[in-house]
Amino acid sequence: NAGVTQTPKFRILKIGQSMTLQCAQDMNHNYMYWYRQDPGMGLKLIYYSVGAGITDKGEVPNGYNVSRSTTEDFPLRLELAAPSQTSVYFCASSPPGSSNQPQHFGDGTRLSIL
Amino acid sequence: EDQVTQSPEALRLQEGESSSLNCSYTVSGLRGLFWYRQDPGKGPEFLFTLYSAGEEKEKERLKATLTKKESFLHITAPKPEDSATYLCAVQVNNNDMRFGAGTRLTVKP
Repeated sequence: NAGVTQTPKFRILKIGQSMTLQCAQDMNHNYMYWYRQDPGMGLKLIYYSVGAGITDKGEVPNGYNVSRSTTEDFPLRLELAAPSQTSVYFCASSPPGSSNQPQHFGDGTRLSIL
Repeated sequence: EDQVTQSPEALRLQEGESSSLNCSYTVSGLRGLFWYRQDPGKGPEFLFTLYSAGEEKEKERLKATLTKKESFLHITAPKPEDSATYLCAVQVNNNDMRFGAGTRLTVKP
């Protein structure tokens, strides 16, 4: 039972570099989400997807891009890394049928921008 | 503005000392209130969903309740393994989930 798998677990980037955070789920969930979690703050929604080929912005999308070519994968792209993007990033998914379902989270990618 | 506030920020209990965590919310249209548990270095793990005022859910030593303005997570006779950060989240529309900052619970043996 893999659930939601995120890679890498840790990464250090230099300002201006780009990278892709990977997220894969094996539960056949339609809905997938990307959050960031900063110390002392709640999780903030970056982008979400309701199915392959469909994505939309969340609360804090600036500086990020996503794509959803398959049901299983939902990568998050940082094009020009900035120190403000230092955070822990969580990917989540929820079952089909309704968006009002509990979300299943991966264990996060800890990203530092120096 | 939709907002979720959790209190206290941190709570230290002795093993067996019952207490409650609070989640207050101001949202335009509640579609569901969720409680999650988060261990250090891990993603949040789902505990409960509550949909309407008056609803209650229980799991082992945890019991979640919901009113029109807040939710409580009651912990009865906690054990050290209950130590974690407990997150409250409110679904405000189809795909928007707002999370509180969490309550960090420490249970000492």
